[in-house]
Amino acid sequence: DQQVKQNSPSLSVQEGRISILNCDYTNSMFDYFLWYKKYPAEGPTFLISISSIKDKNEDGRFTVFLNKSAKHLSLHIVPSQPGDSAVYFCAVKTGANNLFFGTGTRLTVIP
Amino acid sequence: DAGVIQSPRHEVTEMGQEVTLRCKPISGHNSLFWYRQTMMRGLELLIYFNNNVPIDDSGMPEDRFSAKMPNASFSTLKIQPSEPRDSAVYFCASSWGVGNQPQHFGDGTRLSIL
Repeated sequence: DQQVKQNSPSLSVQEGRISILNCDYTNSMFDYFLWYKKYPAEGPTFLISISSIKDKNEDGRFTVFLNKSAKHLSLHIVPSQPGDSAVYFCAVKTGANNLFFGTGTRLTVIP
Repeated sequence: DAGVIQSPRHEVTEMGQEVTLRCKPISGHNSLFWYRQTMMRGLELLIYFNNNVPIDDSGMPEDRFSAKMPNASFSTLKIQPSEPRDSAVYFCASSWGVGNQPQHFGDGTRLSIL
């Protein structure tokens, strides 16, 4: 069973507009949430994270929002740039070290 | 700074052969993780080590898979004998400590079993 779901396999956004990537999880015991970005033929690269005691974390153009009651995580990128085109994975963990990854959303930013 | 280094980047071999994937974690990191990425199952954890000791190998699919970490700077993932369904991209990642430290990934080994 998938513990983490990214229901949109792809997303296209115009350069300069906002990109919103979504992630849903099933287990309320998850306490740390991360987003990774992946370019072709490279490994995933850590982007931003949030712990369960917060509902928002911001780093430059990237903001992660956590809605614990809905078990929902989102990543906002604003403004979107062509270099942001990649596959984005959300990941969740409990107190142990195991990360559970979503299946990814391919973001295309159109110049 | 050198990141996580994996070798080989690509491996093509015939079924039944032994395959060994290698990983050098980031210096100073004490946790190491092996993942497999497939179209069907996405990115899934196979095994992780902390201070060179295997902590959780529940993701290792079968006894044909084994992993070792003889020292803090080297780990191997071995498949013997290999089968076509083992074809995937295998990633190694490392992090410092346990808890909420992000894992840093290598660029992966693309394995094709014919």
